[in-house]
Amino acid sequence: DGGITQSPKYLFRKEGQNVTLSCEQNLNHDAMYWYRQDPGQGLRLIYYSQIVNDFQKGDIAEGYSVSREKKESFPLTVTSAQKNPTAFYLCASSISAGGRGQETQYFGPGTRLLVL
Amino acid sequence: DAKTTQPNSMESNEEEPVHLPCNHSTISGTDYIHWYRQLPSQGPEYVIHGLTSNVNNRMASLAIAEDRKSSTLILHRATLRDAAVYYCILRAHRTALIFGKGTTLSVSS
Repeated sequence: DGGITQSPKYLFRKEGQNVTLSCEQNLNHDAMYWYRQDPGQGLRLIYYSQIVNDFQKGDIAEGYSVSREKKESFPLTVTSAQKNPTAFYLCASSISAGGRGQETQYFGPGTRLLVL
Repeated sequence: DAKTTQPNSMESNEEEPVHLPCNHSTISGTDYIHWYRQLPSQGPEYVIHGLTSNVNNRMASLAIAEDRKSSTLILHRATLRDAAVYYCILRAHRTALIFGKGTTLSVSS
């Protein structure tokens, strides 16, 4: 089955610790995205990548880092600089980025990050 | 970015049609209208999108006003599984979706 997988489902972070959230897709999509969702709020864009070895900051990139070494993978690291990391993190992909605006995004099941 | 306005919440009964409105008075000619929904503790899923003409798919219908300043997502027969947050999003030459708070739809049996 084609789709997006995120792991782990729940992640606990200790203060001062960096943690990495995994996102893998087998849809052969060029573009991948990371969003953050706080309770009762909509999604906010952290980073996105239009192609391998390239990525751009979204609206709330501070305290986060990403890499895109393979087309299938787009891991997100939550660094110790992110002072309020508790949230629901969602990864998404689309066939391409931008275009004329009609591309559909496919989302993974999410990772819930909690601070100990 | 052009903004959308949706009611915070709506209620429906099972087996009845549901009309979810969205206002987007500042929409540009190249903005596509997308609808996604998010079930509790899950990632959003695509529902439907359109540009100018009304659209139908297996999940829903999208009715777009002639002036494109508003649209309505229509669920023809609501089920309990349709209870979710529904997001109306405008998208042009952007690489990512911009989510508002959406409309929380409750469905009663």
